[in-house]
Amino acid sequence: DGGITQSPKYLFRKEGQNVTLSCEQNLNHDAMYWYRQDPGQGLRLIYYSQIVNDFQKGDIAEGYSVSREKKESFPLTVTSAQKNPTAFYLCASSQGAGTGELFFGEGSRLTVL
Amino acid sequence: GDSVTQMEGPVTLSEEAFLTINCTYTATGYPSLFWYVQYPGEGLQLLLKATKADDKGSNKGFEATYRKETTSFHLEKGSVQVSDSAVYFCAAPMKTSYDKVIFGPGTSLSVIP
Repeated sequence: DGGITQSPKYLFRKEGQNVTLSCEQNLNHDAMYWYRQDPGQGLRLIYYSQIVNDFQKGDIAEGYSVSREKKESFPLTVTSAQKNPTAFYLCASSQGAGTGELFFGEGSRLTVL
Repeated sequence: GDSVTQMEGPVTLSEEAFLTINCTYTATGYPSLFWYVQYPGEGLQLLLKATKADDKGSNKGFEATYRKETTSFHLEKGSVQVSDSAVYFCAAPMKTSYDKVIFGPGTSLSVIP
């Protein structure tokens, strides 16, 4: 079945450590996104990529980095510069071209100890 | 700027009660409108959509009509079930240079037997 796979589902990090969240899709979608979700809040866009080897900052990119070396993969690194990294992270993809319809993974919950 | 506003809840209903979750938007033009649902511990999934004014989207007993005159897309269900307990997000794609989707803050629904 086509879909988006995020891993790990749960991740614990000590302060000062970088962590990388994986996102893989087999939907053949061009566009991929990373959102952050905090309790009781909506989704905030961290980074997005419309095509391989290109990505753009979203609304809250500070303290995060991404790469898009392959169409299927869009990993997110939460760096030590992110001051409040504990959150639920959602990866999504879309066919692009303004459809607005996003397909989401099941999310990764990051907790900083 | 572009925005999506929805009632934030939380909403608690008894099984078989009628559900309405309000959603309004401000945007340039009349974008497609979506409702996404997030079950506990999972990512978001598309519940229903409407691509133009006066369209009605429907799925799993839920309905929403795209009202151009009031720029609204209220979600309704005639008889909720315990399994409908989730967070519901209204969303609209914006006409920007990329496939940006604006999400409302989400409405948490709990259905009790």
